[in-house]
Amino acid sequence: NAGVTQTPKFQVLKTGQSMTLQCAQDMNHNSMYWYRQDPGMGLRLIYYSASEGTTDKGEVPNGYNVSRLNKREFSLRLESAAPSQTSVYFCASSDVPRGGEQYFGPGTRLTVT
Amino acid sequence: RKEVEQDPGPFNVPEGATVAFNCTYSNSASQSFFWYRQDCRKEPKLLMSVYSSGNEDGRFTAQLNRASQYISLLIRDSKLSDSATYLCVVNMEETTDSWGKFQFGAGTQVVVTP
Repeated sequence: NAGVTQTPKFQVLKTGQSMTLQCAQDMNHNSMYWYRQDPGMGLRLIYYSASEGTTDKGEVPNGYNVSRLNKREFSLRLESAAPSQTSVYFCASSDVPRGGEQYFGPGTRLTVT
Repeated sequence: RKEVEQDPGPFNVPEGATVAFNCTYSNSASQSFFWYRQDCRKEPKLLMSVYSSGNEDGRFTAQLNRASQYISLLIRDSKLSDSATYLCVVNMEETTDSWGKFQFGAGTQVVVTP
């Protein structure tokens, strides 16, 4: 099993450009999450999806949109990138009945110039 | 005040020694707690779950103090491979059956030296 996979691993964007970060999990988990991690601030939840067909805002959703395409895939879209969105983005999934332990993808390092 | 706070460290620990550090949380209704390990520029990985009064896994012991609203992680007989950042995670929902809104601490860096 690959676990949680993310693409791309690295990306450089110019201000105003758009892009979609892809995430897929093969653990048959119901819940999926998108986080960003900035130095000294810990991981902050951008959006989450408790189950297929549902999405909800997290702590820092502004400037982002998400799509839960199916049970496996959860994508994050930046419509008009800003330098403040320079960060490391992690996707995670969890199987709630097991207690909420989360499994993370390897991350996407995004720089917006 | 941050909802989950950790001492950023670094905690410099000689190989073989014991190190312990805490994580405080503000929501007294929080029910589930976790410790994750994050190596430099890598993804976080679950180290331990802490559901009741604490638990132990080999050299790692996690404790929960509900009265003072903190959890702790103790590492005995530290190995060089224990060098990492340890993230405290708190489920801010009120029941363990909920799918959970997790709040991450900023992490405590541990450096084990030869």
